[in-house]
Amino acid sequence: KAGVTQTPRYLIKTRGQQVTLSCSPISGHRSVSWYQQTPGQGLQFLFEYFSETQRNKGNFPGRFSGRQFSNSRSEMNVSTLELGDSALYLCASSLSAGLQETQYFGPGTRLLVL
Amino acid sequence: DAKTTQPNSMESNEEEPVHLPCNHSTISGTDYIHWYRQLPSQGPEYVIHGLTSNVNNRMASLAIAEDRKSSTLILHRATLRDAAVYYCILRSNSYQGAQKLVFGQGTRLTINP
Repeated sequence: KAGVTQTPRYLIKTRGQQVTLSCSPISGHRSVSWYQQTPGQGLQFLFEYFSETQRNKGNFPGRFSGRQFSNSRSEMNVSTLELGDSALYLCASSLSAGLQETQYFGPGTRLLVL
Repeated sequence: DAKTTQPNSMESNEEEPVHLPCNHSTISGTDYIHWYRQLPSQGPEYVIHGLTSNVNNRMASLAIAEDRKSSTLILHRATLRDAAVYYCILRSNSYQGAQKLVFGQGTRLTINP
């Protein structure tokens, strides 16, 4: 079974631009979560989607948004990029929601904002 | 969000057991204890989880204190490939919070050949 895939793997943008990152979950998985990882803040939860509905959102500004499609694929968008948005963005999928569900992470998209 | 405390770093030798501690004194009765690790240049990967009883799988063992205020991840025979940052995470029983993994700073494990 293929793992979680994220595209693109690397991205360079300039301040003020917007960016869209894509995540394809493991086949059959319905829950997709997004995380941001920076050296200063570590791994922080962005949001989670389940069956095309956003179920939970982390403490990030409204410039960060996402969506999930009927095939469970997910995209996240960051508008009006700032230098501080430079980070590794990780997507994780799981079969369903639940305390015992394992989350499977993709390799991440490394975003550099200049 | 329930909080965990881990040492910033630990060091061990190859082929020796490693015990990674985690304190979670504010754990509630229904919180699950999960461990993930992140190898260099990779996304985190699941290691093990438990509720009250000790757990074993092919990767590791999880020993949970009787009062559940602490737990220990045990790597029985460390290899160089086990060098990673290990995260101890509590997953809470709330409808919207179950899928949210709250990562602390984790423990950076170094394995010496």
